[in-house]
Amino acid sequence: GQSLEQPSEVTAVEGAIVQINCTYQTSGFYGLSWYQQHDGGAPTFLSYNALDGLEETGRFSSFLSRSDSYGYLLLQELQMKDSASYFCAVRVGSNYQLIWGAGTKLIIKP
Amino acid sequence: DSGVTQTPKHLITATGQRVTLRCSPRSGDLSVYWYQQSLDQGLQFLIQYYNGEERAKGNILERFSAQQFPDLHSELNLSSLELGDSALYFCASSASQNTEAFFGQGTRLTVV
Repeated sequence: GQSLEQPSEVTAVEGAIVQINCTYQTSGFYGLSWYQQHDGGAPTFLSYNALDGLEETGRFSSFLSRSDSYGYLLLQELQMKDSASYFCAVRVGSNYQLIWGAGTKLIIKP
Repeated sequence: DSGVTQTPKHLITATGQRVTLRCSPRSGDLSVYWYQQSLDQGLQFLIQYYNGEERAKGNILERFSAQQFPDLHSELNLSSLELGDSALYFCASSASQNTEAFFGQGTRLTVV
């Protein structure tokens, strides 16, 4: 089967750094995406890694190791508005079909 | 605002009934994707259309069907509804099959 594993919940302090890990096992792999979803809202795209290495976009960075079937999302200078669920998703086909993890709820404390 | 419009936002219906969810993609986007998200779960890919043709099918039940019309809007039909079908249903669109998808705000379906 196809599966993605990510922690169900992570707690951090405002201003700190947090890393959300994702391991995957899929029949195909084109790349790893990260999405943010606030309660009841639509998922919004954060990043996409097709090649190994670190991609940085402002306070957020995403890393991929294809040989380890592993990636992570790094959030720096945490703000209260970053409290949300974060999903990793593997693109398994050329048509951008995504297989999703169950999501990590990020709780930020002042 | 992603530019993807879904209607209705909320829907409450009884078991055994049939409902239709509607999605208008971003202007110019040819690809439409449907996802189901049950409470506190990740998103389950249901089906994808590209320029009116079905391109990929995920874990979509036989009681569910979808189509994309010539004007590129899409409808997801859910029939013989069961309590377990209660979920958020998201539509997403992208310009082609290889570009990032943008999500609508979802339709929250409650089956009672």
